[in-house]
Amino acid sequence: DAKTTQPPSMDCAEGRAANLPCNHSTISGNEYVYWYRQIHSQGPQYIIHGLKNNETNEMASLIITEDRKSSTLILPHATLRDTAVYYCIVNFGNEKLTFGTGTRLTIIP
Amino acid sequence: EAGVAQSPRYKIIEKRQSVAFWCNPISGHATLYWYQQILGQGPKLLIQFQNNGVVDDSQLPKDRFSAERLKGVDSTLKIQPAKLEDSAVYLCASSSHPSSYNSPLHFGNGTRLTVT
Repeated sequence: DAKTTQPPSMDCAEGRAANLPCNHSTISGNEYVYWYRQIHSQGPQYIIHGLKNNETNEMASLIITEDRKSSTLILPHATLRDTAVYYCIVNFGNEKLTFGTGTRLTIIP
Repeated sequence: EAGVAQSPRYKIIEKRQSVAFWCNPISGHATLYWYQQILGQGPKLLIQFQNNGVVDDSQLPKDRFSAERLKGVDSTLKIQPAKLEDSAVYLCASSSHPSSYNSPLHFGNGTRLTVT
């Protein structure tokens, strides 16, 4: 059963911030939110994860709402290389990750 | 660090034939996973190893799929006999501490299998 809901596709102009939403209304208190992405013909790549607080690393920022029922992945300055399928996953840890169908993000020049 | 290595990159076989895929995880990673990704879908876990022991193979079709990790490093996934519905990308992943929320999975680029 899917624990997350993501839009199937999104477009973003190159150089703009890409904001990818994820709904996880049934998340439990000790489940983390993970984001991976998959560029065409490659394996998935870890981006970021969080529990309650907002997180930022060199790739992206993760904003989690106070009730934890949704989150947004932000790519601050999207480039053509960010075109990929983005997966939002909720899980107790990194074991046995269950991937949905994700959001296909297309960066437009 | 070197990434997860998989071979071959592509494989085409006829149904009822057998096929094997090889994976070499990141050095020092004790946990190894095999995922199956059918076109248009997200990856689905087939089997998880911790060192050379199986942790979870509940979604592995054991009548035709087998996997081993004899020395706790490299792993082989085999299909015998293959069916048309086995056409997919087979992804290998590894992690250093699977139960830690801070230990991400590192994936290889997969083997694309076409069964005709």
